Amino acid sequence: GENVEQHPSTLSVQEGDSAVIKCTYSDSASNYFPWYKQELGKGPQLIIDIRSNVGEKKDQRIAVTLNKTAKHFSLHITETQPEDSAVYFCAASWFGADGLTFGKGTHLIIQP
Amino acid sequence: EADIYQTPRYLVIGTGKKITLECSQTMGHDKMYWYQQDPGMELHLIHYSYGVNSTEKGDLSSESTVSRIRTEHFPLTLESARPSHTSQYLCASSVPAHAGAKDTQYFGPGTRLTVL
Repeated sequence: GENVEQHPSTLSVQEGDSAVIKCTYSDSASNYFPWYKQELGKGPQLIIDIRSNVGEKKDQRIAVTLNKTAKHFSLHITETQPEDSAVYFCAASWFGADGLTFGKGTHLIIQP
Repeated sequence: EADIYQTPRYLVIGTGKKITLECSQTMGHDKMYWYQQDPGMELHLIHYSYGVNSTEKGDLSSESTVSRIRTEHFPLTLESARPSHTSQYLCASSVPAHAGAKDTQYFGPGTRLTVL
């Protein structure tokens, strides 16, 4: 089955700086890679996703890159703000899978 | 904002009690899931369903049971709660993955269960 590794487990950055979270996956059949943000006391919410036929996708301050050859994908947040503080999860799946396979999460802390 | 709801949001009960955590969605999604989230925040899949009358066990063994009598409703039951069941329980739903479709899961707000 699929295995998703996520690093780092905790990331602390200064407000205004950029943050990068990296994930690797094991199953070359995976073709869908979403990212979720979970704030305290809430369920995870989808913030951006990418399909395997695309190398990069951007939505305002958030971008995701995918390298299918190396089987890794990354989340980039620029100009970080206090409201970006949360736990972020990467995930992977493929057509026919029972569901998403999640990474273990990254706790992002934005220092004022 | 996803239309998926969980009740109660918080529950504190004594050992040995039977409890049911409710999950409902109004998006008409066939697939539904239950996750257990530990203090380290990792998500563990405990149950899922492809549709009405379908239930499957997830990756993490759980003493809970689920049922799927209606598309919109996927309750989780613990027959006899124990302190080891103390956790955050998250419900999710998705459109089944098929060619061209994304397997995006939409999560509810969660139920924080504490068993004394």
